[in-house]
Amino acid sequence: GESVGLHLPTLSVQEGDNSIINCAYSNSASDYFIWYKQESGKGPQFIIDIRSNMDKRQGQRVTVLLNKTVKHLSLQIAATQPGDSAVYFCAENYGGATNKLIFGTGTLLAVQP
Amino acid sequence: DVKVTQSSRYLVKRTGEKVFLECVQDMDHENMFWYRQDPGLGLRLIYFSYDVKMKEKGDIPEGYSVSREKKERFSLILESASTNQTSMYLCASSFTPVANQPQHFGDGTRLSIL
Repeated sequence: GESVGLHLPTLSVQEGDNSIINCAYSNSASDYFIWYKQESGKGPQFIIDIRSNMDKRQGQRVTVLLNKTVKHLSLQIAATQPGDSAVYFCAENYGGATNKLIFGTGTLLAVQP
Repeated sequence: DVKVTQSSRYLVKRTGEKVFLECVQDMDHENMFWYRQDPGLGLRLIYFSYDVKMKEKGDIPEGYSVSREKKERFSLILESASTNQTSMYLCASSFTPVANQPQHFGDGTRLSIL
């Protein structure tokens, strides 16, 4: 079937290396940001989030960095594994309490064994 | 863990048919959302609901309607299906009244209109 990975920028990394996926967001008033992972045939899966009063947040093997000056978000994955292969996209909250999100189009992460 | 369940993984319908896509969440979330996902376009919001019987249009509501009669269930309706509605449809839910909560997604329904 048709993959959501078509037409996307691709980041190819070797297994065990660190990956950095970047995202430029659009609204300077956005105050909440999320990274999602979408594997083939599945829905987006929440990875990590960060609020605008923070610059960095760490999870298990993942770190999100927020630079509000240039409206830039990045996701760092340490010791990338084959199971990390997926489409990753960021989302920003522009809707306050209704949690309406604007989604980026995504980056395909391909992990080479 | 939050569980968002979409009733069908794959669906094939004919032009002009009325199509129902169902979504159920088990976490008592107030907000529910319907998106479509197309290659190169990302996720686009069709409709969302912030409470039972409440709904608001998203960015691309034309040709669609929704129903939310119970808190856990949010249905997307294609009134008269057309080939340009062939897509992956994703349902999501999130908790309110606390702002800044992630949306949790189902695994999607891949709909083909012939």
